[in-house]
Amino acid sequence: AQSVTQPDIHITVSEGASLELRCNYSYGATPYLFWYVQSPGQGLQLLLKYFSGDTLVQGIKGFEAEFKRSQSSFNLRKPSVHWSDAAEYFCAVGGGGSYIPTFGRGTSLIVHP
Amino acid sequence: GAGVSQSPSNKVTEKGKDVELRCDPISGHTALYWYRQSLGQGLEFLIYFQGNSAPDKSGLPSDRFSAERTGGSVSTLTIQRTQQEDSAVYLCASSPPPAPSVSEQYFGPGTRLTVT
Repeated sequence: AQSVTQPDIHITVSEGASLELRCNYSYGATPYLFWYVQSPGQGLQLLLKYFSGDTLVQGIKGFEAEFKRSQSSFNLRKPSVHWSDAAEYFCAVGGGGSYIPTFGRGTSLIVHP
Repeated sequence: GAGVSQSPSNKVTEKGKDVELRCDPISGHTALYWYRQSLGQGLEFLIYFQGNSAPDKSGLPSDRFSAERTGGSVSTLTIQRTQQEDSAVYLCASSPPPAPSVSEQYFGPGTRLTVT
């Protein structure tokens, strides 16, 4: 069965600092990986996705993520955080002919001025 | 273009009453999902529709929950005899025509259901 672990429930950073949100997955085949962001009172918005190819993927809003098969990880990074990045971030995994992704429990990002 | 819309945005109901939640997916998207998000929790999958195929209902928590999708477009999630534990945000998402596997999802803003 596929699963996703986001080890950090909350992350607090200062505005302008770099950010890395962790995501570890369990999946038997080549995974399809996603990062979504949810602002308060909103639905989820896709930040980036990995299906195949280059393991470093670029997304919207200056985010990037790196797929590391050996570590079963897909960590999200941003070099300089803005106050507007404060939100909930979800990692998701799918693939192998399944159309139902599995989501992690999310990481809440708090940005201090 | 228009995104996924959901109505109502908020719904307060008394325990034991039935509720209907509506989702309008993005035009041309053949896949539609319903999720439940409880406070501080991740997304709990409820049901998946793909075109005219039989839906995957494996995530529905009880027989009080049902959903239908008419004409391959609009979907309605119905909760009968609501309980307080049904209080949550119900999210709908749609995806483009099928890729080899799961594709990116486009989410609506959700319906916040409160059962008193």
